[in-house]
Amino acid sequence: GAVVSQHPSWVICKSGTSVKIECRSLDFQATTMFWYRQFPKQSLMLMATSNEGSKATYEQGVEKDKFLINHASLTLSTLTVTSAHPEDSSFYICSARDFQGRSQPQHFGDGTRLSIL
Amino acid sequence: ELKVEQNPLFLSMQEGKNYTIYCNYSTTSDRLYWYRQDPGKSLESLFVLLSNGAVKQEGRLMASLDTKARLSTLHITAAVHDLSATYFCAAFTGNQFYFGTGTSLTVIP
Repeated sequence: GAVVSQHPSWVICKSGTSVKIECRSLDFQATTMFWYRQFPKQSLMLMATSNEGSKATYEQGVEKDKFLINHASLTLSTLTVTSAHPEDSSFYICSARDFQGRSQPQHFGDGTRLSIL
Repeated sequence: ELKVEQNPLFLSMQEGKNYTIYCNYSTTSDRLYWYRQDPGKSLESLFVLLSNGAVKQEGRLMASLDTKARLSTLHITAAVHDLSATYFCAAFTGNQFYFGTGTSLTVIP
């Protein structure tokens, strides 16, 4: 079945550094990818929709200058958390839109646990 | 914007008991999904419900959909400890998922 790889799975870094998270669709082309954030014991919140070759669409309240999204190829989208601070610590999950997937329109990555000290 | 509500938010149940988790959504949705999430993990797809009256079963879990009532249920039969996890429903429409608040299930021996 379709697989989405997310890397890294876990990262700890100091406040003020930037962190890049990669999301790859391994066996299908994903023109659209989604980035979610999940705080402890809460639901997934959509941050942005990433479209290959164009600018990402951000949800209300998400700072586009803080969370840089690049979708340069049909199989890779990246999320960069710039100048990360402790409040950015969260679980970040990407998903890739599979237009061939009749019952499963999106495939989720394994998530990235981000901890900012 | 489509809103999805689940209840209960927290559920503690004894092994062997039955219980139902409810998922209400505010406007028409193309499909309804149920996911399981274990601590520190991503989402595991359980069921996809495509039409009114759809019922899917896998092991001790059974999901149903009533599009007229905008309601989906996840029924747990004879719970076992392995079912302890957080369960999310999600409505899919307009190329986007709208997730419910989640139900944290703990099955007690």
